[in-house]
Amino acid sequence: NAGVMQNPRHLVRRRGQEARLRCSPMKGHSHVYWYRQLPEEGLKFMVYLQKENIIDESGMPKERFSAEFPKEGPSILRIQQVVRGDSAAYFCASSPQTHSSGNTIYFGEGSWLTVV
Amino acid sequence: KNQVEQSPQSLIILEGKNCTLQCNYTVSPFSNLRWYKQDTGRGPVSLTIMTFSENTKSNGRYTATLDADTKQSSLHITASQLSDSASYICVVTFYGGSQGNLIFGKGTKLSVKP
Repeated sequence: NAGVMQNPRHLVRRRGQEARLRCSPMKGHSHVYWYRQLPEEGLKFMVYLQKENIIDESGMPKERFSAEFPKEGPSILRIQQVVRGDSAAYFCASSPQTHSSGNTIYFGEGSWLTVV
Repeated sequence: KNQVEQSPQSLIILEGKNCTLQCNYTVSPFSNLRWYKQDTGRGPVSLTIMTFSENTKSNGRYTATLDADTKQSSLHITASQLSDSASYICVVTFYGGSQGNLIFGKGTKLSVKP
């Protein structure tokens, strides 16, 4: 786990506010993935990014959610106008190359979002 | 539909005992299978990765097996320790399609008691 940095670890937002979750991948990793985990559920894919490109966002809700991975700085998952159902743990992962080839992907410690 | 099913959902064992966790999948075309350990409140940590041609892989007291014909995998933990208490997640990757092609099981929650 060491190396994939997520912040904040815990975030509380009121309904209607915005949540921004940040992820710095491991050094040398150019592939970033975001997953959401609901209580008692498995991790669900949200989005896969490389530097300045969204490669696959098939797991992202169509509205209110967006992600970016700029040339400089961390990847950001942004949730606008949060609702109670957005309360979950959001995990970021990174890999040096695509995980399809069997490369290990490394997860961060997660960001726990609570919407009140 | 690509799915990963794990059993049991939860398991309690005494310290020092062995246990085996099961994973069945219907993912196709299969690329590889991974086992992760997730401590409460933490991110998943990789234990093993196995490709189609690998039947078994060990990582310390953890031994994973794979039967690609029956689409089953198991994770065997030997001489359990209190620190093994965690959720163990089976993850299957399939070829092709989008890069969002990691299918996660819901995990088996293991509790090791003294």
